[in-house]
Amino acid sequence: GENVEQHPSTLSVQEGDSAVIKCTYSDSASNYFPWYKQELGKGPQLIIDIRSNVGEKKDQRIAVTLNKTAKHFSLHITETQPEDSAVYFCAASSEGTYKYIFGTGTRLKVLA
Amino acid sequence: DAGVIQSPRHEVTEMGQEVTLRCKPISGHNSLFWYRQTMMRGLELLIYFNNNVPIDDSGMPEDRFSAKMPNASFSTLKIQPSEPRDSAVYFCASSLRQGGTEAFFGQGTRLTVV
Repeated sequence: GENVEQHPSTLSVQEGDSAVIKCTYSDSASNYFPWYKQELGKGPQLIIDIRSNVGEKKDQRIAVTLNKTAKHFSLHITETQPEDSAVYFCAASSEGTYKYIFGTGTRLKVLA
Repeated sequence: DAGVIQSPRHEVTEMGQEVTLRCKPISGHNSLFWYRQTMMRGLELLIYFNNNVPIDDSGMPEDRFSAKMPNASFSTLKIQPSEPRDSAVYFCASSLRQGGTEAFFGQGTRLTVV
């Protein structure tokens, strides 16, 4: 069935270093890939998304890349700051279906 | 818009009691989702509504769980009777249309059944 795998489950980086989180999806019909950030006690919030007609998208320190052939997409955070510490979820969805298939989450810790 | 609004934020109840969680989606959104989040299972989709109609409730754990959406601005998730294993954070989310667009999440309801 439809599945999104996410790695790593935990990630610790020094402040100022980069962090990379990777996801793999199984449904070839998926064409929308959002990334959510969840802070303690809050609901997931969208931080960046990418559609299948684009290979890369950047928003300040955050970037997402998509390899449709390999069914991989990744989140890149540069110059990490302590406030980047949170749980990050990737997801895959497609037009015409309602399902957002979420990855299992990555707990990112940025060490000051 | 204030975003997706859920109430209560926290609920502690005794096993066997009825629990009702409430959600107000973003105005104009026609898709509404109920998710359950636990450490063991992550984010699980419980039920999905489109234009107030339940489309897929295959994620609802068992008959103790029920959900309604009487109008475009209100939905409830009810657990009767509640059990300790129902303890989790329950999220409501809404989106403008099916798939392919951002889903906005509420702050969640942390349910503890003792």
